[in-house]
Amino acid sequence: DAGVTQSPTHLIKTRGQQVTLRCSPKSGHDTVSWYQQALGQGPQFIFQYYEEEERQRGNFPDRFSGHQFPNYSSELNVNALLLGDSALYLCASSYTLGGGGADTQYFGPGTRLTVL
Amino acid sequence: AQSVTQLDSHVSVSEGTPVLLRCNYSSSYSPSLFWYVQHPNKGLQLLLKYTSAATLVKGINGFEAEFKKSETSFHLTKPSAHMSDAAEYFCVVSDRTDKLIFGTGTRLQVFP
Repeated sequence: DAGVTQSPTHLIKTRGQQVTLRCSPKSGHDTVSWYQQALGQGPQFIFQYYEEEERQRGNFPDRFSGHQFPNYSSELNVNALLLGDSALYLCASSYTLGGGGADTQYFGPGTRLTVL
Repeated sequence: AQSVTQLDSHVSVSEGTPVLLRCNYSSSYSPSLFWYVQHPNKGLQLLLKYTSAATLVKGINGFEAEFKKSETSFHLTKPSAHMSDAAEYFCVVSDRTDKLIFGTGTRLQVFP
């Protein structure tokens, strides 16, 4: 089992540019959540995707958007990059249970985004 | 709203001595609680989770945590620290929508 994979590992962009990060969930998982971890802080929830829909969203601006594909993989897009968007972006996958709740989230290694 | 407070930003121990990482939680209902570990430049690894079953939860690598409702605490312990335990540890609570809410982290240093 490959676990949760993310690409790319590192990325350097300049202010105003757009970026796309990718995530492949653990085998058997159907739910993907994205988190932003700024240096020295705990991860902050961005949004969660299930059945190709955004199921819930954290306190992030509309510049942050996402997508989930039929194979459950997901993308995170950030437009009009700001210096403050520099962070480690973590993807977590889980399985949504019959009652609608999600099981334990398993994290990928993350993508380190640097905005210059 | 749910939240967690990690009471120590840094903890230093000698190899072979016990580890105690403290976490208090706030929740309006019976919470799901987790401890995750993050080694330098790595993603997050689940150590253990509490979901209203046994109050003493055993995790990987010899770690365990005890859920104490009366104290709203979920402290992480290990009887004997190993050099490889040096990392950042996060106490996490899950809200009703399964969104994870992280504490600010505790950096564990292990000295030989």
